[in-house]
Amino acid sequence: ILNVEQSPQSLHVQEGDSTNFTCSFPSSNFYALHWYRWETAKSPEALFVMTLNGDEKKKGRISATLNTKEGYSYLYIKGSQPEDSATYLCAFKSLRGNDYKLSFGAGTTVTVRA
Amino acid sequence: DAGITQSPRHKVTETGTPVTLRCHQTENHRYMYWYRQDPGHGLRLIHYSYGVKDTDKGEVSDGYSVSRSKTEDFLLTLESATSSQTSVYFCAITRANLGEQYFGPGTRLTVT
Repeated sequence: ILNVEQSPQSLHVQEGDSTNFTCSFPSSNFYALHWYRWETAKSPEALFVMTLNGDEKKKGRISATLNTKEGYSYLYIKGSQPEDSATYLCAFKSLRGNDYKLSFGAGTTVTVRA
Repeated sequence: DAGITQSPRHKVTETGTPVTLRCHQTENHRYMYWYRQDPGHGLRLIHYSYGVKDTDKGEVSDGYSVSRSKTEDFLLTLESATSSQTSVYFCAITRANLGEQYFGPGTRLTVT
């Protein structure tokens, strides 16, 4: 079991404010880092798949950065809107020999207040 | 929408009874996965399949078995349900081994 930690566990943001949160993962055997958005009563949906150190991905007001050497990724939400309220999951994909593993963090739940 | 359905969507069952959950996909993907989701744990892999009749265990496989006799269907069986198996179960498919996951709508299972 690979230790993937997300912090904070939850946060509340005022509409219009920007926010960010962290996914920490082992710095060895890195293959990829996934981010998922999970709205209440729905299924998780992929936001980003990041594979290279220094990667930056962007989708609308949401962006992510990756540091594989120190084992962390940040997800940023710029100008939060109520529809950004969701749980954001990261998942660390490792490769050791021929063995892939994918381990999910417990998520950061974002609530945007109007 | 990656063409994944799960059935049933909700089930309440008694301790000790067998339960089978079905995941069905329409896009002919090779890789299929079963996860359970519990508060504070994120998603944990139960079993996965990399082809017809090819399955392997995930990190929380005890008490579960799977079968894949057709590409489109991946079945998860709880041989004798226990209260600790009360959870939400998600099926997922990927286009590459443990690549970007596409999830089904989930099955909420309650074991009383």
